[in-house]
Amino acid sequence: EDQVTQSPEALRLQEGESSSLNCSYTVSGLRGLFWYRQDPGKGPEFLFTLYSAGEEKEKERLKATLTKKESFLHITAPKPEDSATYLCAVAPSGSARQLTFGSGTQLTVLP
Amino acid sequence: DADVTQTPRNRITKTGKRIMLECSQTKGHDRMYWYRQDPGLGLRLIYYSFDVKDINKGEISDGYSVSRQAQAKFSLSLESAIPNQTALYFCATSDSGAGGLGDTQYFGPGTRLTVL
Repeated sequence: EDQVTQSPEALRLQEGESSSLNCSYTVSGLRGLFWYRQDPGKGPEFLFTLYSAGEEKEKERLKATLTKKESFLHITAPKPEDSATYLCAVAPSGSARQLTFGSGTQLTVLP
Repeated sequence: DADVTQTPRNRITKTGKRIMLECSQTKGHDRMYWYRQDPGLGLRLIYYSFDVKDINKGEISDGYSVSRQAQAKFSLSLESAIPNQTALYFCATSDSGAGGLGDTQYFGPGTRLTVL
């Protein structure tokens, strides 16, 4: 069974205090790993797709990395507007198998 | 205008009522999905459709049905709503492209459903 575990469940940072969110996964073959941002009362917003171990992608203050067992979302010098829930999802190999989502990390950045 | 729209955005109903949630998209994607989101449980797949004639059950399809009226429209129905179907419901779309690109899903704004 595919599993995605995100940690921590919640994280409070001071503005400018860099940190990382973790996404550990268990799948029998990874087709892709996805990061989304979700603001309260809104739908998830796509951030990144990672396909193979060693791959990295960046967007503004966010950088996502991937190993064979986990992905990290690094947040450098965060701002209050980075406060949101960050979701990780994996797409397992096999065309009929759909995304499995983690339960998310709720990030709060204090001014 | 939003690429993926959902109606209604909020709905309060009573146990036993039939409810339909609607989703429309202008992204031109072939694939559409319905998820529910509960606190602490993440997003769980209810149904998905790869084209108008292809509809598949997801992880938690019991108590739900769907209709793909056109490439751009995908509706979710609760035939007889019950309180534990109170949740946030999201529609999503993806392209059918190969090489992993088809997996990137784009979500609508959600419908908050409360069943009393």
